[in-house]
Amino acid sequence: KAGVTQTPRYLIKTRGQQVTLSCSPISGHRSVSWYQQTPGQGLQFLFEYFSETQRNKGNFPGRFSGRQFSNSRSEMNVSTLELGDSALYLCASSNSGAGYTFGSGTRLTVV
Amino acid sequence: DQQVKQNSPSLSVQEGRISILNCDYTNSMFDYFLWYKKYPAEGPTFLISISSIKDKNEDGRFTVFLNKSAKHLSLHIVPSQPGDSAVYFCAAYMNRDDKIIFGKGTRLHILP
Repeated sequence: KAGVTQTPRYLIKTRGQQVTLSCSPISGHRSVSWYQQTPGQGLQFLFEYFSETQRNKGNFPGRFSGRQFSNSRSEMNVSTLELGDSALYLCASSNSGAGYTFGSGTRLTVV
Repeated sequence: DQQVKQNSPSLSVQEGRISILNCDYTNSMFDYFLWYKKYPAEGPTFLISISSIKDKNEDGRFTVFLNKSAKHLSLHIVPSQPGDSAVYFCAAYMNRDDKIIFGKGTRLHILP
């Protein structure tokens, strides 16, 4: 079966812009979580969605938001981009926590 | 094609004993490996990493061993404590492709 699909793979934006990243989970998986990976901070949790509801949220400012659709696909939005938002953004899908599958990530560069 | 495999979905270990979590990989180009720990309803937190040029890294109760010839790494937790009950992810990073690949995780249960 298809894995977790994240689009786009690479993205370059300028400061102040906003960006939307997409994550399509494995078919049948209802949970999607988002993470920010940077060399300095490692993997940091952004939020988790389950059945279109945000179930958990990390310590990120309100500029970071997300949503999940009825087909379990999820989007993450970052508004008013800052240079420090440059990172690899990963999503993972799971089925009731029984094993997680990560996508390849979206590499966001803010210039 | 899974490049990073954690073949044990779950593991139960008695409190005080050693927990050994295993991870296999297929690509010899990975530059370093990481272990993350995840509690239910929380995001993963970084535990320990090891460069591909090392064979061992130790941090308190946690030790990671890397066997490059076998493309295998393991995380040892000694002694195991109740708070160690969590899901553990193995991940591998490649500088050349700027790519990090995660295993599916192993759920560790520490038994009283």
